[in-house]
Amino acid sequence: ELKVEQNPLFLSMQEGKNYTIYCNYSTTSDRLYWYRQDPGKSLESLFVLLSNGAVKQEGRLMASLDTKARLSTLHITAAVHDLSATYFCAGEFQFYFGTGTSLTVIP
Amino acid sequence: DTGVSQDPRHKITKRGQNVTFRCDPISEHNRLYWYRQTLGQGPEFLTYFQNEAQLEKSRLLSDRFSAERPKGSFSTLEIQRTEQGDSAMYLCASSLEGDTNNEQFFGPGTRLTVL
Repeated sequence: ELKVEQNPLFLSMQEGKNYTIYCNYSTTSDRLYWYRQDPGKSLESLFVLLSNGAVKQEGRLMASLDTKARLSTLHITAAVHDLSATYFCAGEFQFYFGTGTSLTVIP
Repeated sequence: DTGVSQDPRHKITKRGQNVTFRCDPISEHNRLYWYRQTLGQGPEFLTYFQNEAQLEKSRLLSDRFSAERPKGSFSTLEIQRTEQGDSAMYLCASSLEGDTNNEQFFGPGTRLTVL
C-alpha cells in the first residue's frame, strides 16, 4: 500500500513570499497528482506528473517529480490570497492521497 | 460539458438508518471511483469500477457498505445501519480508460451527517 506524506500540514505565508510544499511517498509510483480543495468544496485537479523529472507550471504554482527520491514538490511563487486552499498530492492511480497542506496567504 | 454530479448534496440521517447516494460520471468516462473524506483529512479510497465491474475495494469498505454500477453509467453507494463514524463527505470521481494522464475528475460530494 502506498503511503503519501505531505509537509507542512499547515502553512501560513505572507503575500509575495515563496514557499515549497513537499510530498513524499513510500513505494514506487510513476505518477503523481496535485489537487486543490477550497473549504466545503470538491477537489480540482492542478497537475499530473507522469515521469521522473517532470515539471509543470501554471501561474504561480510549479510542480516537479523525482521518482528516485520518491518526492514531489509544489512551489509557490509570490503568493497571493487567492491561493489560500488545501493542497493534496496523490499517487498510484490516485487511490492514495496525502494528508493535505492547508495554505493561508496573509495580506 | 457536464461534469460529475452527485445526489443528494447533503444527507442527515439517524443512526441505524440506511442511506443511498448516487453518482453520475462524465458521460464518456468508463471508470468511476468512490472516496470518503473526513474533516482535515485527505480522501480515502473506497472502491473503483471499470464499466460495470467493481475492480478494487478498500479494507475501509465494511460489509455495511455496498456499491453498484449496474449498467456502467451511474453508480450508487449504500450504507446500511449507519453509525456516527460514517459522518463524512463522500466523493465520486470519474476518468477515461486510455487517457494517458488517468486524470480523475471529482464531483461536488455528498455530505453525510449521522445523528
